[in-house]
Amino acid sequence: EAGVAQSPRYKIIEKRQSVAFWCNPISGHATLYWYQQILGQGPKLLIQFQNNGVVDDSQLPKDRFSAERLKGVDSTLKIQPAKLEDSAVYLCASSLDLGQGLSGGSYNEQFFGPGTRLTVL
Amino acid sequence: GDSVTQMEGPVTLSEEAFLTINCTYTATGYPSLFWYVQYPGEGLQLLLKATKADDKGSNKGFEATYRKETTSFHLEKGSVQVSDSAVYFCALSPSTNTGNQFYFGTGTSLTVIP
Repeated sequence: EAGVAQSPRYKIIEKRQSVAFWCNPISGHATLYWYQQILGQGPKLLIQFQNNGVVDDSQLPKDRFSAERLKGVDSTLKIQPAKLEDSAVYLCASSLDLGQGLSGGSYNEQFFGPGTRLTVL
Repeated sequence: GDSVTQMEGPVTLSEEAFLTINCTYTATGYPSLFWYVQYPGEGLQLLLKATKADDKGSNKGFEATYRKETTSFHLEKGSVQVSDSAVYFCALSPSTNTGNQFYFGTGTSLTVIP
């Protein structure tokens, strides 16, 4: 089974430029997540999709960040314009569905892609 | 709100040493608890989990026990190998989690030297 795919793996841009990241989740996974992982910190959820609808975007800086999952499969995350503090690894994850997991408890395991390392100069 | 706190690193151990990485949590009810591992250049992978108090999760020689009384989920391994060098993240999923949100700790970097 193919895992979560992300591209590019690395990106270097100057501040005020724009950048886009792409994610293709595991086939059949309804839920897709974008996380920001700043160096030395744990992943922080930016936005969560269920199929092509947004479940949670409360921590997405909407003045500069946007994300879409138009057909309920792959997704893009965009930053425009970028700031120095946006330098981080952007992780995409997917899960079969929302809570009420199949493995007990109220969760479904999240599977992560390798991430995109963004450096803003 | 719900959160996890894990010991700061980096941790450097010699091969075959005993490993403990501390993790405590704050949550209402009975969250599910996880340890994820991130090898260099790769995404996070689920290492082990526990969904209720006194459960012990185990995988690849790693163990962690869900302690409700101390709100802890410490990761242990009796004899580490060089291949265990990675960053380890403690995480929780709230008991009322209809949105499948996970909350991660800051990560602990482990380096095992031969």
